[in-house]
Amino acid sequence: SQTIHQWPATLVQPVGSPLSLECTVEGTSNPNLYWYRQAAGRGLQLLFYSVGIGQISSEVPQNLSASRPQDRQFILSSKKLLLSDSGFYLCAWSIQGSQPQHFGDGTRLSIL
Amino acid sequence: RKEVEQDPGPFNVPEGATVAFNCTYSNSASQSFFWYRQDCRKEPKLLMSVYSSGNEDGRFTAQLNRASQYISLLIRDSKLSDSATYLCVVSRGTGNQFYFGTGTSLTVIP
Repeated sequence: SQTIHQWPATLVQPVGSPLSLECTVEGTSNPNLYWYRQAAGRGLQLLFYSVGIGQISSEVPQNLSASRPQDRQFILSSKKLLLSDSGFYLCAWSIQGSQPQHFGDGTRLSIL
Repeated sequence: RKEVEQDPGPFNVPEGATVAFNCTYSNSASQSFFWYRQDCRKEPKLLMSVYSSGNEDGRFTAQLNRASQYISLLIRDSKLSDSATYLCVVSRGTGNQFYFGTGTSLTVIP
């Protein structure tokens, strides 16, 4: 069966510091991968998605970036965090666009 | 116009009640439909897919009306454990085209 791992679960970072969140999927090949952010009490905002190694599409212009160095690895990064980057970050995968997405446990990021 | 719209609630219902949520979508090219459940400070989890003919999973029934472009979720015999936010999700079938509603909050009261 497929599983998705996302870490860390919680992160507290100062403004201006770098960020690296990692997500890996097991039990499937060539998944579609997604990064979402959910602000407190708000809906899910799609940040990036990837349909293959090295293929990244950005949905929202901001100071975040994503990379997919391996088929089942998806990384969210920032060189300098802003206060507005606080939120709940979720990684998800799907087999293809018409199939449901499955989410990792999420990373709760607080910027001080 | 938003791709997916849901009544945010909150819905507060007593245990044993039947509650229904509706969700509308704006694009008739939408192909796949889902209901997710999200507990407080947790990730969304797939509750059920929604099929054209409607489908049932225990106490949960999902319906799709393509002509009117809405999806519904019916929960019968509500349990305390059903308290959560329910997200309506619509997909057009390609990589990035998943659209999430902002969710409907349900609290089941003893």
